[in-house]
Amino acid sequence: AQKVTQAQTEISVVEKEDVTLDCVYETRDTTYYLFWYKQPPSGELVFLIRRNSFDEQNEISGRYSWNFQKSTSSFNFTITASQVVDSAVYFCALSDSLFSSGSARQLTFGSGTQLTVLP
Amino acid sequence: EAQVTQNPRYLITVTGKKLTVTCSQNMNHEYMSWYRQDPGLGLRQIYYSMNVEVTDKGDVPEGYKVSRKEKRNFPLILESPSPNQTSLYFCASSLSKDLAGVTDTQYFGPGTRLTVL
Repeated sequence: AQKVTQAQTEISVVEKEDVTLDCVYETRDTTYYLFWYKQPPSGELVFLIRRNSFDEQNEISGRYSWNFQKSTSSFNFTITASQVVDSAVYFCALSDSLFSSGSARQLTFGSGTQLTVLP
Repeated sequence: EAQVTQNPRYLITVTGKKLTVTCSQNMNHEYMSWYRQDPGLGLRQIYYSMNVEVTDKGDVPEGYKVSRKEKRNFPLILESPSPNQTSLYFCASSLSKDLAGVTDTQYFGPGTRLTVL
């Protein structure tokens, strides 16, 4: 069974601080896909990134960066120089491959981390 | 504009009164699914559909029904809502697979906040 753990329930930082959101996953699949979503106070889910299990290269997009480490089954998300607009709930998610044991694809979410950036 | 829409966005109802939450996508996506979001539990999948007339249960299907008569629509039906179905519901869609057979990104609707009294 797949599982995603986001141990940090809530994090508060002051604007301009860097913050890292942790994500640890469990899966028996050798091919899988990891996602991060942002849910601002308005409620909608916003896609941030998808990573494939066979590509461990870290990725940077502006102030956002992601550290994928298969050895520790982690896919952590760092926001550099945080801003008030970054305040949101962030979800890490895991999806198996369409070709894995013939099982249909499902997206398994972590419980989310509430990030509050104070001015 | 490519999007997933849900209606209504907010709904308060009473126990036992049948309701339907609509979901529509304009991206010609094959795959659609419903999730519910509850505090401390993250998002849990209710039902999903791989294509028209093809639906299957997710992790928490009890008390829900779905149908997929057209590619663009995937309504969620609560035949007899109960208070434990008070939740925030999200519809999502994605292409079944791209040319490389890679799992595609799911696009989420804005959410429907349901309260069952």
